[in-house]
Amino acid sequence: ILNVEQSPQSLHVQEGDSTNFTCSFPSSNFYALHWYRWETAKSPEALFVMTLNGDEKKKGRISATLNTKEGYSYLYIKGSQPEDSATYLCAFRGAGNMLTFGGGTRLMVKP
Amino acid sequence: DGGITQSPKYLFRKEGQNVTLSCEQNLNHDAMYWYRQDPGQGLRLIYYSQIVNDFQKGDIAEGYSVSREKKESFPLTVTSAQKNPTAFYLCASRAPTTRGEQYFGPGTRLTVT
Repeated sequence: ILNVEQSPQSLHVQEGDSTNFTCSFPSSNFYALHWYRWETAKSPEALFVMTLNGDEKKKGRISATLNTKEGYSYLYIKGSQPEDSATYLCAFRGAGNMLTFGGGTRLMVKP
Repeated sequence: DGGITQSPKYLFRKEGQNVTLSCEQNLNHDAMYWYRQDPGQGLRLIYYSQIVNDFQKGDIAEGYSVSREKKESFPLTVTSAQKNPTAFYLCASRAPTTRGEQYFGPGTRLTVT
């Protein structure tokens, strides 16, 4: 079983703060790294799918970077808002079409 | 609207009973997946199906069974052999693109007492 780890497990920030969290994954047999946002009482939704070393993706105030050689990805949120409160999941995809998920980072943004 | 539906949202069963969780999609996706989530843990893969009439065990298949008779449907049966069945169960399908992002249902919370 592959080891995908996310840190921190949870994070409390004030509205307007910028924040970031980490996903570490195996650096071998890499195919893609997925980020999902999971709001309470909703279904997880895809944020980014990253495949190339050095890749950077952006969606509004959220961005992500990827380092496949050292096996990590960072997710950044600029100027956090209460609606950003969610659990952020990363998932490693190797040679098959299966995803191995990390434990998630639970973000809570206080107004 | 295209999407994945899971029913019911909450399910309660007595120990020793088999129970089947429903998962239906109208996204026309070939691949479907079942995951389990326990508190403090990530999603763990139970079973997956790449195409109709074919399915494979995931990391934690013991005590579970599935069928894939139709493209739209991928039901999961939690059998009495599953030692710790109380959990949150998520169904997903995969987009047939190189990105391969997964689309998730709303989940079923199963409680076995």
